[in-house]
Amino acid sequence: GAVVSQHPSWVICKSGTSVKIECRSLDFQATTMFWYRQFPKQSLMLMATSNEGSKATYEQGVEKDKFLINHASLTLSTLTVTSAHPEDSSFYICSARARPGLIGGQPQHFGDGTRLSIL
Amino acid sequence: AQKITQTQPGMFVQEKEAVTLDCTYDTSDQSYGLFWYKQPSSGEMIFLIYQGSYDEQNATEGRYSLNFQKARKSTNLVISASQLGDSAMYFCAMSGTGGGNKLTFGTGTQLKVEL
Repeated sequence: GAVVSQHPSWVICKSGTSVKIECRSLDFQATTMFWYRQFPKQSLMLMATSNEGSKATYEQGVEKDKFLINHASLTLSTLTVTSAHPEDSSFYICSARARPGLIGGQPQHFGDGTRLSIL
Repeated sequence: AQKITQTQPGMFVQEKEAVTLDCTYDTSDQSYGLFWYKQPSSGEMIFLIYQGSYDEQNATEGRYSLNFQKARKSTNLVISASQLGDSAMYFCAMSGTGGGNKLTFGTGTQLKVEL
């Protein structure tokens, strides 16, 4: 159980293109989803927290207009990188939690990530 | 603010041996959770094991166990009987009472299992 599907797994596109990444919880309802960015050989950097039916909460330094997040249902959140440029090239990975529950008791389940390359 | 420290950028272990990956943390929260994730070269994040701050017993999950020392604020991961497939990056993470239980990650330890 607790499967998170992320699509696409690999994207190569031209500079100026907008790219949408989908994150789906397949066998549970995710009230909260998280979007991370990871540079090579570095740790995961939280970009934003997405709650179903409300606006995403962005971390300091993350451009809201560049990285649009939508969490329209309990099983789907999307990250759109608008007008992508080479510096946006990175590994983007989402995670989902079923419910807050006990403090820390619910692990985040991760998608397989999306490798984004902007030419 | 929460902070996770992993001081071992890389570790080597021989197949079938046990290995300990270190993790210390800092938080002002009374209740928090501690997690370990494995990230193979393919990129996916695999949840391994969890320890709650009020758990009195060390967590175990198959070949994974935690040496949780609350007073020292450490939660070291022990992998027993290492296998070649254990070669990966390992991240320690914690969540607390604030911020929707978002995770704070350490910098990771690259483990390589050798024959």
